[in-house]
This record gives sequence, C-alpha cells and structure tokens, in this order.
Amino acid sequence: DTAVSQTPKYLVTQMGNDKSIKCEQNLGHDTMYWYKQDSKKFLKIMFSYNNKELIINETVPNRFSPKSPDKAHLNLHINSLELGDSAVYFCASSPDSNYGYTFGSGTRLTVV
Amino acid sequence: DQQVKQNSPSLSVQEGRISILNCDYTNSMFDYFLWYKKYPAEGPTFLISISSIKDKNEDGRFTVFLNKSAKHLSLHIVPSQPGDSAVYFCAASVTNTGNQFYFGTGTSLTVIP
Repeated sequence: DTAVSQTPKYLVTQMGNDKSIKCEQNLGHDTMYWYKQDSKKFLKIMFSYNNKELIINETVPNRFSPKSPDKAHLNLHINSLELGDSAVYFCASSPDSNYGYTFGSGTRLTVV
Repeated sequence: DQQVKQNSPSLSVQEGRISILNCDYTNSMFDYFLWYKKYPAEGPTFLISISSIKDKNEDGRFTVFLNKSAKHLSLHIVPSQPGDSAVYFCAASVTNTGNQFYFGTGTSLTVIP
C-alpha cells in the first residue's frame, strides 16, 4: 500500500521522444512536488503544486510540463527529450504545513 | 549554488559505535532542518527534524544537533546498527516558502558488523 507511487520505475527512451512519468499519493496531502536528482545526487526541486495549483516553478526548460488533474496526482510530461534529461526523478508530497516530505521511490530516466 | 552541503560523501563505522553525519548550510534564513534516510532503489524517508528555536532534538537512537552560529547541523546515531547503512540527506527550508526544501548531496553510511 504505497503512499507515494511513481510509474514507471525505469524508462529508457531515444532523444527527441515525448514521455510522461506519473505520480499518485494516497496520503491526502495537499502539496506535491517533482524533484530531479542529478549525477552528483543533488535533489533539485522542479515543480510544486498545492491543491492542483502551481506554486513553485523553478528554472526548468519549457519541455517539462507538470499536470495535476486532482490533488492526489501530479504527472510530469517531457517533450523532445535530450541526453541531459537523464536522471532520477522523485515525486513527493507533504501536508500543507512546514514539515517533511514523503517521497516516491524514483523514476530512472535514461535518454539514449 | 548549493545552499546545503554534506562534505563527507561516505562514512564507515563499527557496529555499536556512534555515527556522526554532518551538514553545513549557507542561508541564515533557514529555520527548519530535516534528515532523510535513503536505501538503494527507494525514495528518501523522513528521519528526524529540528526547528531553529532548538539546538537539539532526540528520537530514540537518533539525535540532531543544530549550531546556528556555525550554520551547522549533525546527526548522531548511537549505537549504530548494520540496518542503519544507507544514504543520509540533510535538508533545510525557510518557513512559509511553499515547503521548498534544499537538500544536501548525501552521506553514505556503512555500519560494519
């Protein structure tokens, strides 16, 4: 009974393709996030949604577009994939207050 | 610009001894700090937190110490157990900034039986 689940866990795709990563949380949290973990293990926030509304949008290429159909889901769509997009992407959620996250297990994206 | 730094990428400790993981930050506005533990192929899980109004928070074998003047926090695990072997991330935030946390790059702890 996974609290924050991401699919797929692994994704290998060619440059130029469009792909989506899905995230769902069953914790009733109001806020969801996407983080990118780079090759140096640094976790960098990409997007934050609160109750389906975008509240944080860090400097991320326009090719990345988050979609939140409801507050339990935050999907990440990536257009025209590039080699540099290869990374592990973590979804997370939190209650709408200032304490920590529950993370998904990550999606390892490899662009070839 | 990395505002939270964990300068030791790895640490090895004998079972039963104390593990000390360190974290430094640059933003003096940070007022809430957390430690996460991450096993391979899993997402980070929340371990322990501390607010800047405190200098110590203890939960079982885990204690976090905060030195605001030095912009430094540390996680102590005592006694260390083989199951504690994992990557530990510290994270920091400024209250009321939309729950945006800044993570360090992690320290890989190995507890040797």
